[in-house]
Amino acid sequence: EVQLVESGGGLVQPGGSLRLSCSASGFTFSSYAMHWVRQAPGKGLEYVSAISSNGGSTYYADSVKGRFTISRDNSKNTLYLQMSSLRAEDTAVYYCVKGSRDRYFDLWGRGTLVTVSS
Amino acid sequence: EIVMTQSPATLSVSPGERATLSCRASQSVSSNLAWYQQKPGQAPRLLIYGASTRATGIPARFSGSGSGTEFTLTISSLQSEDFAVYYCQQYNNWPRFTFGPGTKVDIK
Repeated sequence: EVQLVESGGGLVQPGGSLRLSCSASGFTFSSYAMHWVRQAPGKGLEYVSAISSNGGSTYYADSVKGRFTISRDNSKNTLYLQMSSLRAEDTAVYYCVKGSRDRYFDLWGRGTLVTVSS
Repeated sequence: EIVMTQSPATLSVSPGERATLSCRASQSVSSNLAWYQQKPGQAPRLLIYGASTRATGIPARFSGSGSGTEFTLTISSLQSEDFAVYYCQQYNNWPRFTFGPGTKVDIK
């Protein structure tokens, strides 16, 4: 089955760190760019970060630049998002997303909730 | 950054009626425009890509049109399962992809 499964979310204090993981199955993970998109409670979708298929290129939204690091392990079919210096405004459901060959997002995970609160 | 806007913010429609949602880009994105549907508590789902191509398994009552800066998603006859939030997204400018704020389609 083609799917993405996120893990690693939870409650963290402001200034803390968390690492999200996304396990991919059912497709050739190493052939596709991957993305993280987040959604704060009751809000719209915010594009967070991207990584090319071989991991050589990365992108970050200004809101997370310098605090978040995206990476991937193609041998383990896994995408990561290392988050540090977390703020209350980082509270959101984080979705792992597969990019198609034509760049649109054709597969979404169910998401993992990150709550930043003291 | 390309800014996406959507109108209306909320659309109230009766089942069986037609719904027309609009999306505008601040600069041309050619046909690199996708629409996603999100129901409460669920992840978004791809509906339309390339401005007008339905994704696998998407019913024919969903159609997309437009190019450049103006786009439309039409649901020809709303079914109960179509009440949701719809987002447009431009993917013309890799990797600076941006989403619109969404249109909520609710029951009139």
